[in-house]
Amino acid sequence: QVQLVQSGAEVKKPGASVKVSCKASGYTFTSYGISWVRQAPGQGLEWMGWISAYNGNTNYAQKLQGRVTMTTDTSTSTAYMELRSLRSDDTAVYYCARDLGVGEYIDYWGQGTLVTVSS
Amino acid sequence: QSVLTQPPSVSGAPGQRVTISCTGSSSNIGAGYDVHWYQQLPGTAPKLLIYGNSNRPSGVPDRFSGSKSGTSASLAITGLQAEDEADYYCQSYDSSLSGSRVVFGGGTKLTVL
Repeated sequence: QVQLVQSGAEVKKPGASVKVSCKASGYTFTSYGISWVRQAPGQGLEWMGWISAYNGNTNYAQKLQGRVTMTTDTSTSTAYMELRSLRSDDTAVYYCARDLGVGEYIDYWGQGTLVTVSS
Repeated sequence: QSVLTQPPSVSGAPGQRVTISCTGSSSNIGAGYDVHWYQQLPGTAPKLLIYGNSNRPSGVPDRFSGSKSGTSASLAITGLQAEDEADYYCQSYDSSLSGSRVVFGGGTKLTVL
């Protein structure tokens, strides 16, 4: 069965960086893309960007350009999302999710990783 | 201020029918991009409910249905059950002069009375 298992919760200080991992199993990793979506406490879903696990092509949300980097390691079927220069409003649950392309539907989601930014 | 507009809340009694709207514009839903719907139970990750405007993934009850017309889409839930109480989100794609991106609605909280 398809599974996306994310790394554990993180607490970071403002200005620091965080890197969240997402290990995929149960399907051919390079046949799909990975989207990253975050959800601030009590708020809605916000798309952060997408990466092709096939060739590493990326598409980032404009508001995060320059602060976010998404990568994949096909040898371990793992996707990574790094967010730099963290601010308090980056506090959120971060989800990785599987889809076939930018704008396509997401059919499987990771369990979420809470990132707390606090001094 | 989401690109896709959903009502913040809807409610209905068990057995009733409710609809959740998702209103976009000519740069997203009206441009022909598909709309997808997700259900998020409290404290859990979202779950795909409807894809490609009106298609149900395997395992989703036929009480859930989706439709799209013009610059809007709708999710209908018939035979409302207590377990349907959750947040619902629509998703589409937006392409304009300022760039292209995936967009979500602000979410609708469904309360089963």
